[in-house]
Amino acid sequence: RKEVEQDPGPFNVPEGATVAFNCTYSNSASQSFFWYRQDCRKEPKLLMSVYSSGNEDGRFTAQLNRASQYISLLIRDSKLSDSATYLCVVGRYSGAGSYQLTFGKGTKLSVIP
Amino acid sequence: DARVTQTPRHKVTEMGQEVTMRCQPILGHNTVFWYRQTMMQGLELLAYFRNRAPLDDSGMPKDRFSAEMPDATLATLKIQPSEPRDSAVYFCASGWTGQGGQPQHFGDGTRLSIL
Repeated sequence: RKEVEQDPGPFNVPEGATVAFNCTYSNSASQSFFWYRQDCRKEPKLLMSVYSSGNEDGRFTAQLNRASQYISLLIRDSKLSDSATYLCVVGRYSGAGSYQLTFGKGTKLSVIP
Repeated sequence: DARVTQTPRHKVTEMGQEVTMRCQPILGHNTVFWYRQTMMQGLELLAYFRNRAPLDDSGMPKDRFSAEMPDATLATLKIQPSEPRDSAVYFCASGWTGQGGQPQHFGDGTRLSIL
């Protein structure tokens, strides 16, 4: 089982729609959680951190369920500029004080006019 | 805004040649990561430095890849000899790993094509 799993999509949605992405992680020792966004031929960029109580940043809402090892991202009122690949990212400390992020393969979103 | 700087942005070379990629992390960050991204595998961690010391390079083919951090402002990833299967985008990222874990900030990447 992959450490971080996402539906690859693509999700094709009209402008103004609400879209939700899900992600599951396998290691219960995971401690930090993020959503990154990657545009075509660009580097991944941090979209938002995900906190246990859930958090919102404008049109974006992230939720974390530690019991189910499940992370979600909700985008409301989709814009054309939201078209990108969304990467679910999980961080944890391993041996010798090593901290690593593990990236899902991403979910591709296309917002259509 | 502070940024991670990678050079070169693009590299095309013939198989068997040596390739060196460079990264300048964000000043003040204590960790540096090298990733490789392909369509098939997504983002794979190759190597990881903390306070310039290599902590994990288990993701890296050691017979041909080497990663070093000669000083706090420079990390290098070298492939010798290169092979066509090494064609990918190589990203460097830096961050701060104190208590609690922090996100990483990526450079623009090096697009490597081995012919």
